[in-house]
Amino acid sequence: EADIYQTPRYLVIGTGKKITLECSQTMGHDKMYWYQQDPGMELHLIHYSYGVNSTEKGDLSSESTVSRIRTEHFPLTLESARPSHTSQYLCASSLSYSPLHFGNGTRLTVT
Amino acid sequence: GQQVMQIPQYQHVQEGEDFTTYCNSSTTLSNIQWYKQRPGGHPVFLIQLVKSGEVKKQKRLTFQFGEAKKNSSLHITATQTTDVGTYFCAGRNNAGNMLTFGGGTRLMVKP
Repeated sequence: EADIYQTPRYLVIGTGKKITLECSQTMGHDKMYWYQQDPGMELHLIHYSYGVNSTEKGDLSSESTVSRIRTEHFPLTLESARPSHTSQYLCASSLSYSPLHFGNGTRLTVT
Repeated sequence: GQQVMQIPQYQHVQEGEDFTTYCNSSTTLSNIQWYKQRPGGHPVFLIQLVKSGEVKKQKRLTFQFGEAKKNSSLHITATQTTDVGTYFCAGRNNAGNMLTFGGGTRLMVKP
């Protein structure tokens, strides 16, 4: 039941490039989240949104930015990718404070 | 701020053995959620506990919420290789607006 979609699934990119990770959900959820996770490790909240035109930074400092112009869309942008950004990025959504639905993630490698 | 600690970080068991992971919050929670992440996958919601002292079962999995609503446990009876993965607890604060994930317990099952 892939109701939350992330693209690309894998991305290898050179240092200094600008990248946008896409996240869309078709469930009409009001809340959306971005987590950063190294393989098998903790989930770090980097951004969240409680609705259109609402975005907040999470617990983990991140050089990325997000936007929420439409309910279903919550893209994450890195203006200048660095090797330290290599990680998996997981998007999630929820209806109000119900449990989270996660996307399949984007595995980012910055060379 | 709210902290959620999870132990152990890793657990190796022989197939057929039992397994338990524990979750402790620094503050009282309104509810606690459990997620499972298979290797290479994304976290998938398992269950939510709301009431003090609540116990819920899903086949071989038993979830408990402490009387003080500050701790929780997940117990798996007679582990199988399909149980392999990382189990995360996530506690929601009393105001309801913050969900904090524990660091996860990675379960490995030897056949």
